Amino acid sequence: GAGVSQSPSNKVTEKGKDVELRCDPISGHTALYWYRQSLGQGLEFLIYFQGNSAPDKSGLPSDRFSAERTGGSVSTLTIQRTQQEDSAVYLCASSLVGTGAIEVRGYTFGSGTRLTVV
Amino acid sequence: GEDVEQSLFLSVREGDSSVINCTYTDSSSTYLYWYKQEPGAGLQLLTYIFSNMDMKQDQRLTVLLNKKDKHLSLRIADTQTGDSAIYFCAESRSGYSTLTFGKGTMLLVSP
Repeated sequence: GAGVSQSPSNKVTEKGKDVELRCDPISGHTALYWYRQSLGQGLEFLIYFQGNSAPDKSGLPSDRFSAERTGGSVSTLTIQRTQQEDSAVYLCASSLVGTGAIEVRGYTFGSGTRLTVV
Repeated sequence: GEDVEQSLFLSVREGDSSVINCTYTDSSSTYLYWYKQEPGAGLQLLTYIFSNMDMKQDQRLTVLLNKKDKHLSLRIADTQTGDSAIYFCAESRSGYSTLTFGKGTMLLVSP
């Protein structure tokens, strides 16, 4: 598609439920990133996928968080047994990766999913 | 301290210049970026500068980089109410594929 698409745009869930957030990156972008944006906390890196390499999961805050990327394209971020502190905007971004590509072009972000845990 | 630091809030009047500042700690930073986030939207890349440059100008935007002091600034000339948004500074580092972001500066432009 023309941009990075995320769904749903808003999600309200009860504490303890599982949620799935979806990201559809720009066609041809090999790298995909998930960030979390909380009020006053800026952007917190969660996970990074690049091609067929093992993902960089170093930013996931707990084992309740997991993500997968199927066929090198669409990614799903899953949060199990949601807690109130999981409430945030979850942003997905994609980029080309190659000589100078990420550095020059940076990321293209989606509009995010606003997750509210009640 | 944080890897990338920004002041949290800036208020200006329409027509004035705005200067948003950012400091970073890693001397291996290769590119530095400014992103803009409008309410309810994702981040939009505004401009970037390579670490061996001192200045970059793009229409109303001027980026200044002081590599010695690890200080980056974004100047917006003739600020408009439509410039009201959160501005994020970010850096990329040699050998890393992820960007490190500051916490963002909220710019409020009043008529």
